Amino acid sequence: QQQVKQSPQSLIVQKGGISIINCAYENTAFDYFPWYQQFPGKGPALLIAIRPDVSEKKEGRFTISFNKSAKQFSLHIMDSQPGDSATYFCAAFDQGAQKLVFGQGTRLTINP
Amino acid sequence: DGGITQSPKYLFRKEGQNVTLSCEQNLNHDAMYWYRQDPGQGLRLIYYSQIVNDFQKGDIAEGYSVSREKKESFPLTVTSAQKNPTAFYLCASFSDRVGELFFGEGSRLTVL
Repeated sequence: QQQVKQSPQSLIVQKGGISIINCAYENTAFDYFPWYQQFPGKGPALLIAIRPDVSEKKEGRFTISFNKSAKQFSLHIMDSQPGDSATYFCAAFDQGAQKLVFGQGTRLTINP
Repeated sequence: DGGITQSPKYLFRKEGQNVTLSCEQNLNHDAMYWYRQDPGQGLRLIYYSQIVNDFQKGDIAEGYSVSREKKESFPLTVTSAQKNPTAFYLCASFSDRVGELFFGEGSRLTVL
């Protein structure tokens, strides 16, 4: 049972372009939505996160857009750089169960 | 420095052998988690523990066992009952204060 669905599975973007990764969820008990960035051979690291009481959060070149009614959220990377090439995971936190559920991941490649 | 230490980083095992992966944290976090990562499947929750001497099964607990005798330590045993143990294993702990999951560097297990 995949509670958080992430797309696309892989994405290639030219340097300077906008990278967009989408996620959708079903469980209305989720109340915290982080994005993680993972480089090969490393553990994931928190990139940016949002709570459902806001529709958008921006940190530098990274923006989360959140649509509570549609149960969807997305990550936008502006002015994408080769150093952004990594695997990105969206996630949702179930406060009741106290656990984080992850999407399948998106392998992002930024071409120079 | 505070963080999560996983060991070993690489481990090879023969079929039929049990192996134990170590996870130690000095972040004073109550909750700890074990995830398994396979290509194209994201991170799947194996076991988690919200407090010492207590733990719960995640989505793919079969063939695994854990213990939580100390707050700092949450070792994972991959038993011979796990049919497909070759994977990248990630340990994490959760900070209630900042609402963030912190990951270790991972352990890559290969069954020969």
